[in-house]
Amino acid sequence: EPEVTQTPSHQVTQMGQEVILRCVPISNHLYFYWYRQILGQKVEFLVSFYNNEISEKSEIFDDQFSVERPDGSNFTLKIRSTKLEDSAMYFCASSRLSPLAGISYEQYFGPGTRLTVT
Amino acid sequence: RKEVEQDPGPFNVPEGATVAFNCTYSNSASQSFFWYRQDCRKEPKLLMSVYSSGNEDGRFTAQLNRASQYISLLIRDSKLSDSATYLCVVNEVIKAAGNKLTFGGGTRVLVKP
Repeated sequence: EPEVTQTPSHQVTQMGQEVILRCVPISNHLYFYWYRQILGQKVEFLVSFYNNEISEKSEIFDDQFSVERPDGSNFTLKIRSTKLEDSAMYFCASSRLSPLAGISYEQYFGPGTRLTVT
Repeated sequence: RKEVEQDPGPFNVPEGATVAFNCTYSNSASQSFFWYRQDCRKEPKLLMSVYSSGNEDGRFTAQLNRASQYISLLIRDSKLSDSATYLCVVNEVIKAAGNKLTFGGGTRVLVKP
C-alpha cells in the first residue's frame, strides 16, 4: 500500500538555524499539505500546495516558513530561523485529485518529523 | 467557541464493550467530516469518512447530525488494539485546490482486559 514518507524522523537544531523537512507524497496524489502538532496539543493546519503554488496557509505559516516541490517527488518545508516554539511534530499529508468540485478526498499522513529546537 | 470540540476522556472501556463519543463543530457550512485515529506520538491515520446518512465499517459506526452540528463514533466489541486517541476532523474545501482539515483535540479511549 502506497504511503507518505518523511525524513528525518527526528531533527534537533539550535535556535536561529534553518531546517528543511522532507516529504515524499503518495505518487498519484496532487495535493500536498503540512500540519504540525505541538506536544500535548491538537494537530494544526499550516499550508496546502497544489499545482506548484500555495493554495492556502494558516496564521502560523508566517514569513519564516516556505514550501517547495523541487522535483517530481519531494515536497519540502523550510523554516528559515527556528524559534523554541517551533518545536513540534511536523506531518506531511497528501490527497488525490478530486474530479468533482466540492468533493474532497481523504488526506493521508506521513509518520512525521519531530523537530526539537534548543 | 472552539471550531471542533471533543471530550478529551479518557474513556475506560472493558474489552468487548461498546463505547460512543461525540464531537461538535462550529461552522454550519462544513461539508465533510472524518474520524482519524492517533496512537501515541504517531501520525493521524484515517479511520473513516462520515457521510450524511451515517456509515458503518466493521465494528465502527459514524453518524452525522447536521441540525445539531455534531458527529459521533461508536465502537462495538472493543478490542485492546482500539486503545488510541480518536480525532474528529472537519474538512473545508479550498476552491478547487484541495482541502484543509481542522482537528479536534481528540478523545482518548483505553480498552482494558
